Amino acid sequence: EVQLVESGGGLVQPGGSLRLSCAASGFMFKSYDMNWVRQAPGKGLEWIAYFSSSGDAIYYADSVKGRFTISRDIAKSSLYLQMHSLRADDTAVYYCARDFQAGPTGFDYWGQGTLVTVSS
Amino acid sequence: DIQLTQSPSSLSASVGDRVTITCQASHDIRYYLNWYQQKPGKAPKLLIYDASNLETGVPSRFSGSGSGTDFTFTITSLQPEDFATYYCQQFDNLPLTFGGGTKVQIK
Repeated sequence: EVQLVESGGGLVQPGGSLRLSCAASGFMFKSYDMNWVRQAPGKGLEWIAYFSSSGDAIYYADSVKGRFTISRDIAKSSLYLQMHSLRADDTAVYYCARDFQAGPTGFDYWGQGTLVTVSS
Repeated sequence: DIQLTQSPSSLSASVGDRVTITCQASHDIRYYLNWYQQKPGKAPKLLIYDASNLETGVPSRFSGSGSGTDFTFTITSLQPEDFATYYCQQFDNLPLTFGGGTKVQIK
């Protein structure tokens, strides 16, 4: 069974940093493109970052470019999102999501999400 | 960025009703469109990919159609478990973008 489990969310002050993790299981992690998608409270979905299976393609939404870094550890079957210079509008549930085709295309499996709250 | 405009933003319907949601893209996105269902407090679930292909395990009452800039998502006979918010999402161009969502509520 495919499982994605995010962790690392919490309350952080504006300007602070946080690192999210996504532990993957039930599939060959190194063979899939992966993404981070977020959802602000009561709002819609926003794709923010992509990491290709080959490791040679990384893309970001403009809203996080230069502040967030996506990475992975194949040995640990884990995806990460390092977030710096956090702002109030980064407050959201952050989902790790597997790409279902050679992407970035779309998301066939999602984690349960981890809430990041940026507030003083 | 490609904008996706979903209509309506919300609707009220009864069990057994036929429900149709539209998604209009600001540019031609060919058939590079997916549809998701999201229930409160849960992650989205992929229902339709490449505009009209039903994801494995998804009931056949869900369907999608369209290409270019105009897309339609249909539930042929609404079931109690279908009350949720539905999103379209394009992957023709980066950044990947979502429509604003359509909340399907009980009448």
